[in-house]
Formats: sequence, structure tokens, C-alpha cells
Amino acid sequence: KNQVEQSPQSLIILEGKNCTLQCNYTVSPFSNLRWYKQDTGRGPVSLTIMTFSENTKSNGRYTATLDADTKQSSLHITASQLSDSASYICVVSATSGSARQLTFGSGTQLTVLP
Amino acid sequence: ETGVTQTPRHLVMGMTNKKSLKCEQHLGHNAMYWYKQSAKKPLELMFVYSLEERVENNSVPSRFSPECPNSSHLFLHLHTLQPEDSALYLCASSQDWWGTDTQYFGPGTRLTVL
Repeated sequence: KNQVEQSPQSLIILEGKNCTLQCNYTVSPFSNLRWYKQDTGRGPVSLTIMTFSENTKSNGRYTATLDADTKQSSLHITASQLSDSASYICVVSATSGSARQLTFGSGTQLTVLP
Repeated sequence: ETGVTQTPRHLVMGMTNKKSLKCEQHLGHNAMYWYKQSAKKPLELMFVYSLEERVENNSVPSRFSPECPNSSHLFLHLHTLQPEDSALYLCASSQDWWGTDTQYFGPGTRLTVL
């Protein structure tokens, strides 16, 4: 069964600090992995997409890593800001022929305090 | 502005009511999706439409009835819902239903069933 596990479930940090969110998956056959940011009261917004051959990808202060061998991804946030407070969702896509499946994690709720 | 709008933003209904959720995308995409988001649970994909044809129905109860009259509009008709159906219902669109395309989400409709 395809699964995506995210940790921690919630995280509180002070403004200006760095943090790392984890995503472990058991999805096959792997196609790509995305990180979404969901602000309270809004829909998710894509931060990064990573394919099998990519190890690291950055989007401003957000850096995602992917280890396809261990089936792990991380999202590192540098110099956190209050606006980073949100839920961060890991989504893994599996594609086999005409079959497609998206598996969502439960998200990590990040709170950045002043 | 994500280019995907949803109305209403909030809806309270009784179990015997009939209501509809509306989604509109202004991005020229070919695929549209309905998701259910419950507290502390992963997003649940309900329906997928590609070029106005339903391509996925993830064992959703018949009290939820989707309609896609054209590639820009998607509806979710609700009738005789249960209190456990209370959740945030998100609409999304993507260029095509290939699993690799970025999905753009609307802000969601917060549904409460009394």
C-alpha cells in the first residue's frame, strides 16, 4: 500500500531559526515528489517538485532534498519568518502506464513565533 | 490569486438539505479535481475530471455528485449529508491529468453539516 509519512506532526520555532521537515514514503513506481505550503484558510500552493534524478532543489529560503534510495525527502526552511507559519504537505506521485496515483501526507503544522 | 475560485467559502447545511459547491478555473487547464480535507488527515482525492470526462472516482458515497459542464467549471452537488462529511472541500486544476503537473488549488469551501 502506498503511504506517505510526515514528521514532526507539529513544530514551533522562533523567527529567524532554521528547521527541517521530513517525509518518508513507500510509493511505487515513483514519479515525483512535491512539497506544498497551505496557509490557514487557503488551498495548498506548490513549493517544489522533485523527480527521481534530482537530489536538491531550492525555492528561495526553501530547500528540498530527495534520497530515492531510502525513499526520504526533507524540506529545510532557512531564516524562518512569521509568514512561514503554515501546514507543509508532502505529496508523492506514482505513474505506471495509464495509471496515476497521488498519495498525500498528513502535513506538518509549522508555527513561527516572534 | 491562484486562478481557481470556489463558492461559497462557508456553508452550513442540515442533513436533509441539497446544496452545490462551485469551482471555476481561469488557467486554461484540462483537468479538475475535488478533494476533501478533514482535520489532521491527508487530503482525500474524491473525483478527477479530464477534458470534462470523469477519470477517477475514489469510492465516494453517492450523496456526493460531481458535474463538469465544461473544462472551466466543476460542481459538487450535495444531498442528505452526514455530520462526518463536515470538512474543507478543495477544488484544484492542472494542465493535464498526468500526475506530474502542478495542481493549483482554490481556497476551499468550509462545510458544516448539522
